[in-house]
Amino acid sequence: AQSVAQPEDQVNVAEGNPLTVKCTYSVSGNPYLFWYVQYPNRGLQFLLKYITGDNLVKGSYGFEAEFNKSQTSFHLKKPSALVSDSALYFCAVRAINTGGFKTIFGAGTRLFVKA
Amino acid sequence: EAGVAQSPRYKIIEKRQSVAFWCNPISGHATLYWYQQILGQGPKLLIQFQNNGVVDDSQLPKDRFSAERLKGVDSTLKIQPAKLEDSAVYLCASRRTPRTERLISPFMNTEAFFGQGTRLTVV
Repeated sequence: AQSVAQPEDQVNVAEGNPLTVKCTYSVSGNPYLFWYVQYPNRGLQFLLKYITGDNLVKGSYGFEAEFNKSQTSFHLKKPSALVSDSALYFCAVRAINTGGFKTIFGAGTRLFVKA
Repeated sequence: EAGVAQSPRYKIIEKRQSVAFWCNPISGHATLYWYQQILGQGPKLLIQFQNNGVVDDSQLPKDRFSAERLKGVDSTLKIQPAKLEDSAVYLCASRRTPRTERLISPFMNTEAFFGQGTRLTVV
């Protein structure tokens, strides 16, 4: 069965420090992986995706993510965090299921960046 | 381009009442999703449309929830009667897909665009 896990409910980091938000997945076959961000009272906004090719994917707002097939992970990273990065982050995986492709979202990780 | 539009933004109803949400996807996006996001959880897919046809409604509580996309553009999601546990944010999303989406297609890899959501409180 397809699943995605975000093991941390909250990540705290000081402004200017690097940040990592973790995501692991379980699928049959090749996954398509996505990161979305959600600000208060807003819908989800797309950050980046991994389809194929380079394991390091660069996205919006200076974020990047590293696909690791052996560890079935797709961790979100940023070299230097900003207070404005504080938000809720969702990892999603799209993979083939009975009846076609299905997208599953993780439970979310709240990122808090302290000035 | 204009984003995904949803209305209303907020709705408070009493249990056993009915409620309807509206969504207008991005122009040209054939795929439309309705998600339910309960506080503290990730979005859960309720129903997926491809044009005006239902692709996946396996997690839609069909005894009380219904959705339609009659002309293949905008969509409505209805709950009748509502229960306390239906309190959540209902998100609509759309994705660009070709008219005849094949199993192996680069358009399978396009991202979804989300509306701001409708926050439903059932009291």
